[in-house]
Amino acid sequence: QKEVEQDPGPLSVPEGAIVSLNCTYSNSAFQYFMWYRQYSRKGPELLMYTYSSGNKEDGRFTAQVDKSSKYISLFIRDSQPSDSATYLCAMSDQGGSEKLVFGKGTKLTVNP
Amino acid sequence: NAGVTQTPKFRILKIGQSMTLQCTQDMNHNYMYWYRQDPGMGLKLIYYSVGAGITDKGEVPNGYNVSRSTTEDFPLRLELAAPSQTSVYFCASSYSGTSSYEQYFGPGTRLTVT
Repeated sequence: QKEVEQDPGPLSVPEGAIVSLNCTYSNSAFQYFMWYRQYSRKGPELLMYTYSSGNKEDGRFTAQVDKSSKYISLFIRDSQPSDSATYLCAMSDQGGSEKLVFGKGTKLTVNP
Repeated sequence: NAGVTQTPKFRILKIGQSMTLQCTQDMNHNYMYWYRQDPGMGLKLIYYSVGAGITDKGEVPNGYNVSRSTTEDFPLRLELAAPSQTSVYFCASSYSGTSSYEQYFGPGTRLTVT
């Protein structure tokens, strides 16, 4: 079993839809959970960061962590064409860890 | 600020050739990283450095070498290029300590080995 599993999609939704992106993981030591966004032919950029379990909201984006199920989610409300990108989850077991474990990424297209 | 810069943007190598991918950051970050990204495969860590003069292997270091003589620069050397090294290479940097989860990525180098 891979440490981090992420459905690669692709996922295509109409503008205004609610999008749910998910990752599962096997390493119970993971405590730090990130979502990176990567536009086509660009480097990834950090979108959301969550420590341990719970929710975190930032505008139209909500990150959820369920450590008991080893499952993390990113919700995008009122999706926009500008949200079209690949979303990568990433995790580490220490806040100061230089080693992040990335999922494969989910490619999202939001159609106008 | 330029952030993380990488050169070249594109390169085609013949099997057995060598090359150096350049990476420079101007954010005074201690930590620097090299990743490769194959289609549909996410990011794999090749090498990382926690400061000048200190480097360590990541998940997929075979066929690569790095050095870190300054805080700003972290070049990646490919010796005897093989088709399996065809990929997009990303350099990244971060602050040390508990904020190292926020990595700043360069624009990438697309390498084809034929």
